[in-house]
Amino acid sequence: QSALTQPASVSGSPGQSITISCTGTSSDVGGFNYVSWYQQHPGKAPKLMISDVTNRPSGVSNRFSGSKSGNTASLTISGLQAEDEADYYCSSYTSSSNWVFGGGTKLTVL
Amino acid sequence: EVQLVESGGGLVKPGGSLRLSCAASGFTFSIYSMNWVRQAPGKGLEWVSSISSSSSYMYYADSLKGRFAISRDNAKNSLYLQMHSLRAEDTAVYYCARDGYGSGSFDSWGQGTLVTVSS
Repeated sequence: QSALTQPASVSGSPGQSITISCTGTSSDVGGFNYVSWYQQHPGKAPKLMISDVTNRPSGVSNRFSGSKSGNTASLTISGLQAEDEADYYCSSYTSSSNWVFGGGTKLTVL
Repeated sequence: EVQLVESGGGLVKPGGSLRLSCAASGFTFSIYSMNWVRQAPGKGLEWVSSISSSSSYMYYADSLKGRFAISRDNAKNSLYLQMHSLRAEDTAVYYCARDGYGSGSFDSWGQGTLVTVSS
């Protein structure tokens, strides 16, 4: 199972919006609505930010939103804040009853 | 409050074995599927294995080729990962992660335990 494709890095200024893409295949992202997104600060455990493509868990800021079109899912962060600087990973369920992660995207808040 | 606490990591020689544990608290452990996810130093996340709530189903990453075995003890609220024939490339922080109930996600994570495979 190949990793999902994410850009290595994205950046934005405070207050701006950014979008991180996550591209897979019809056997994972395109085939299931089980795409999730995780935020990881250095030295910390990952934190769930979006589940099932668009659902935001309790306690997660509404500045975070998710979407999907075909084999590509996206995470959008609006009103960028300094605390959003972190690594972001997407994940998807697969037709092999496995899970696959993206390679990760480093978000820099300028 | 959901808590997942991993233990059992450490330094092991290539070809050796190690058993990781994850102690769960703050939720009804027996109704959740559970997972192991690892992260090599400076690298991304990699799903390792999943086990259903009653241990009826177990799944593994293809790359493990039968070297790892996941298990759980619902009476002890504990998850395990038995690792054999360890290789340098298995060096990573191993996280215990809870399946989102009715959701395709990992909704709670432990702090991780570091496994280092080196001679």
